[in-house]
Amino acid sequence: EDQVTQSPEALRLQEGESSSLNCSYTVSGLRGLFWYRQDPGKGPEFLFTLYSAGEEKEKERLKATLTKKESFLHITAPKPEDSATYLCAVRTFGGDAGGTSYGKLTFGQGTILTVHP
Amino acid sequence: EPEVTQTPSHQVTQMGQEVILRCVPISNHLYFYWYRQILGQKVEFLVSFYNNEISEKSEIFDDQFSVERPDGSNFTLKIRSTKLEDSAMYFCASSEFVGGNYGYTFGSGTRLTVV
Repeated sequence: EDQVTQSPEALRLQEGESSSLNCSYTVSGLRGLFWYRQDPGKGPEFLFTLYSAGEEKEKERLKATLTKKESFLHITAPKPEDSATYLCAVRTFGGDAGGTSYGKLTFGQGTILTVHP
Repeated sequence: EPEVTQTPSHQVTQMGQEVILRCVPISNHLYFYWYRQILGQKVEFLVSFYNNEISEKSEIFDDQFSVERPDGSNFTLKIRSTKLEDSAMYFCASSEFVGGNYGYTFGSGTRLTVV
């Protein structure tokens, strides 16, 4: 069974204090690792997709990296508006007998990030 | 920016009643999904839908659940006889491709409360 574990559960930072969120995964065959941001009472908002070990993607103060066992979301000089829950999800082989996946995502429990001014 | 629209935003229903949650996916998207999130828990996959049929479903998606694309724009989730444990936030999502660099676009959700 695919497993996705995020750490820490909660992270409190001062504005400008850089840090990293971790997502470790155990899957049968990775077909994409996704990072989402979720604000209270809202749906997940897409940030990045990573496909292979060594891949990196950046967007503003966020940078996502991927290894064979885990992904990191690095936050550089965060601002209060970066406060949210950050979700990691994996898409794996599965679905029909041929192994095609139609897009099922398995999510981690999320990291609640709070950035204080 | 295109959005996935869900209605209603909040639905309260009596146990045993049928509910229909509605979604309007992004117009050029071909793949549609329902996920749910029980308060304080992970986002869980329910079902994916492509080419007018269910392509994948989870163990949660039992005979009490059904999905339909009744016309070219709407995508619905029906729960036939609601239980207390069905109380959750239900998210609809859509994508142009399966996976892809653009991910899946989620709606803002319908909070279902079963009393």
